[in-house]
Amino acid sequence: NAGVTQTPKFQVLKTGQSMTLQCAQDMNHEYMSWYRQDPGMGLRLIHYSVGAGITDQGEVPNGYNVSRSTTEDFPLRLLSAAPSQTSVYFCASRRVRDTEAFFGQGTRLTVV
Amino acid sequence: AQRVTQPEKLLSVFKGAPVELKCNYSYSGSPELFWYVQYSRQRLQLLLRHISRESIKGFTADLNKGETSFHLKKPFAQEEDSAMYYCALRRPGTGFQKLVFGTGTRLLVSP
Repeated sequence: NAGVTQTPKFQVLKTGQSMTLQCAQDMNHEYMSWYRQDPGMGLRLIHYSVGAGITDQGEVPNGYNVSRSTTEDFPLRLLSAAPSQTSVYFCASRRVRDTEAFFGQGTRLTVV
Repeated sequence: AQRVTQPEKLLSVFKGAPVELKCNYSYSGSPELFWYVQYSRQRLQLLLRHISRESIKGFTADLNKGETSFHLKKPFAQEEDSAMYYCALRRPGTGFQKLVFGTGTRLLVSP
């Protein structure tokens, strides 16, 4: 049972490059979300989705795009990477009727 | 707006000592509160939630609405408890209700 799977685990980008962080869950969860984790800041919500075809912005959406074409996948796109986007990114999912969120193992992104 | 405060970045104790990880929140209604834990090289996972009033791995947390606190306690710390602990709040209601996380406390239990 894979749960929430994120790829890649590590990535180094140059300023201005674009890339997509992948997130997939096999639990048929309706809700999916992306967080970034920064020292002294905790986890902050970037974008979230309440179901296929529906996405919305979180606290820190600037510089990121998301889409949800299927229930299983919720990719996060960095349009033009900046050093301020150096962070650890977590994807999470949960059922609409449940309160427990299940997290992926994280993607450590460094933008140089 | 909801806010979660964890005043300690690092809490260092010896094995067998009592542990209390502090969490205070600001929210005008009745929130749902959680403790999440992240062990080294592992994913963030739910430790306990206040609505369950459960004890997990010897940890308990009581919601004190008067003090707006949800401190995590364990009477005798073990080395395997060393991890990063996050307190989180969610306001109940319909639709997507985001989790608001504190900044986290690193617990280090030494032998």
